[in-house]
Amino acid sequence: QVHLVESGGGVVQPGRSLRLSCAASGFTFSSYGMHWVRQAPGEGLEWVALISYGGSNKYYADSVKGRFTISRDNSKNTLYLQMNSLRAEDTAIYFCARDGTPYIAENWFDPWGQGTLVTVSS
Amino acid sequence: QSALTQPASVSGSPGQSITISCTGTSSDVGFYNVVSWYQQHPGKAPKLMIYEVSKRTSGVSNRFSGSKSGNRASLTISGLQAEDEADYYCCSYAGSSTYVFGTGTKVTVL
Repeated sequence: QVHLVESGGGVVQPGRSLRLSCAASGFTFSSYGMHWVRQAPGEGLEWVALISYGGSNKYYADSVKGRFTISRDNSKNTLYLQMNSLRAEDTAIYFCARDGTPYIAENWFDPWGQGTLVTVSS
Repeated sequence: QSALTQPASVSGSPGQSITISCTGTSSDVGFYNVVSWYQQHPGKAPKLMIYEVSKRTSGVSNRFSGSKSGNRASLTISGLQAEDEADYYCCSYAGSSTYVFGTGTKVTVL
């Protein structure tokens, strides 16, 4: 059974950093692209970042480019999101999600983790 | 990249059919046949319902169907049931390995 479990959320002051993790199980992690998607309280979904299955290609939404870094450790079946220079508007639930199908670039998100809440506040 | 446009809310009585629209541009919905739809119940993670415009993921009822015409994609729920009450989001591949979600639609079963 495919399972994604996020961790690392919490309350952080503006300008500080936080690293999220997503532990994957039940599938060949190294075969799938992985995403981070966030949802501000009471708001819609926003795609944040994608990392290719091998880890060499990374893509970001303009809203986080230059501040966030997506990475993965295929030996540990774990996805990461390093968030620097955090702002109040980064407050959201952060979900990790797997590509729906392996190896292809144009994809969809399936499944999703349960999410971890990040609150940026002084 | 601007969010795809969805109606804020759609409602229907049990047994009725409803359609949720998702309007993008010729750079996303209109160009790529990689539109997906997600159902999200309160406090839960989104769940994939439809991918590649009209393909139902495993386990999803055939009451859910997807289509696309030009820059607009649609999700139709037929035979509306109480359990269908949720938020629904469309998403399109937008090129250069980026994605854009819709604004979201709250479905209410009257």
